[in-house]
Amino acid sequence: NAGVMQNPRHLVRRRGQEARLRCSPMKGHSHVYWYRQLPEEGLKFMVYLQKENIIDESGMPKERFSAEFPKEGPSILRIQQVVRGDSAAYFCASSPVNTGSIDGYTFGSGTRLTVV
Amino acid sequence: GQNIDQPTEMTATEGAIVQINCTYQTSGFNGLFWYQQHAGEAPTFLSYNVLDGLEEKGRFSSFLSRSKGYSYLLLKELQMKDSASYLCAVSGAAGNKLTFGGGTRVLVKP
Repeated sequence: NAGVMQNPRHLVRRRGQEARLRCSPMKGHSHVYWYRQLPEEGLKFMVYLQKENIIDESGMPKERFSAEFPKEGPSILRIQQVVRGDSAAYFCASSPVNTGSIDGYTFGSGTRLTVV
Repeated sequence: GQNIDQPTEMTATEGAIVQINCTYQTSGFNGLFWYQQHAGEAPTFLSYNVLDGLEEKGRFSSFLSRSKGYSYLLLKELQMKDSASYLCAVSGAAGNKLTFGGGTRVLVKP
């Protein structure tokens, strides 16, 4: 039973380019969450999605960031026109139901984005 | 709003006990989680408390007092591999996202 799969593990982009981060949830999980972790900081919630639906995007920056979780395929976090401040680790997590659950989330290994 | 506080760093000796405190102020409460995160890796789930009291799991225990907005994670018989960051996180009223504290970096020395 594969865990939450994120790719790529490491991504380097030049300022102004686009970054696309992918997340495949655990089998049977229909809830996906994206978090960002800046160096030496805790995780900050970005967005919560179910299939074809954005449920809560209260943590997403208003510009340049978007997320989707299509009916088929992985969830995608897209960052357009990246800037140096976007350099961070981006973690995806999935759960079978909402987080009011004893098992909590299962996190992927993260994508480390470096903007040069 | 949500506010979660935990110490930034703690140092302890191999074989000893360390207690990591976490205080929280949240609008709504649907459980408190502790995660372990080694440098460069994903957080891994350690414990979940939704009712007051102590939950014990091997060398790790977690305590919750909802009236005080307080939790702690207790690590016993420390091993070198326990050197990591420990993240306290609260699930709010909607239960659909976690709010994390800044993490406590624990350094275990021989």
